[in-house]
Amino acid sequence: EVQLVESGGGLVQPGGSLRLSCAASGFDFRNNWMHWVRQVPGKGLVWVSRINNDGSGTAYADSVKGRFTISRDNARNTVYLQMDSLRVEDTAVYYCLRADGEWGQGTLVTVSS
Amino acid sequence: QSALTQPASVSGSPGQSITISCTGTSSDVGGFKYVSWYQQHPGKAPKRLIYEVSNRPPGLSDRFSGSKSGNTASLTISGLQTEDEADYYCSSYTRSGTEVFGTGTEVTVL
Repeated sequence: EVQLVESGGGLVQPGGSLRLSCAASGFDFRNNWMHWVRQVPGKGLVWVSRINNDGSGTAYADSVKGRFTISRDNARNTVYLQMDSLRVEDTAVYYCLRADGEWGQGTLVTVSS
Repeated sequence: QSALTQPASVSGSPGQSITISCTGTSSDVGGFKYVSWYQQHPGKAPKRLIYEVSNRPPGLSDRFSGSKSGNTASLTISGLQTEDEADYYCSSYTRSGTEVFGTGTEVTVL
């Protein structure tokens, strides 16, 4: 069974950092591109970042470029999102997404003082 | 990276067909075959319905179909059922190598 399990969300103050993890199982992780997508509760989906299968290629939304870093460890079947200089407007549920459309259940990040 | 434009809401009666549009530009929807559609029920993670404009994942009902003309993609739901009541989002690959989602459409079954 394919599973994507996000973790690492929580409450953080503005300017702080968090690292999200997405543990994958049930498929050949090293041959799949992965994405992070976020959603403010009650609002729409917003694409955040993606990484290619070997980690050599990444892309970011303008709103997070320079603050967020996506990476992966194919030996651990895990993709990460390092979030620095967090802002109140980064508050959202963060989903990891396999490029062919498999989604995790999400982890909530709240940025508040 | 402006969001793709979708109608805020679409409604229909059981058994009817509805179509949701997704309008972008030649730098995203119009320029690539990588348009996907997702369904999201309240409190749940999204589920992909369509990939590469018109392809359905194995096992998905053929009541869902996708198409594209120019800079506008469309999702058609035929034989509308009560369980189709949900939010729907399109997404597209972009010329910048990023992805962009649509603004989302709430489907109501009357």
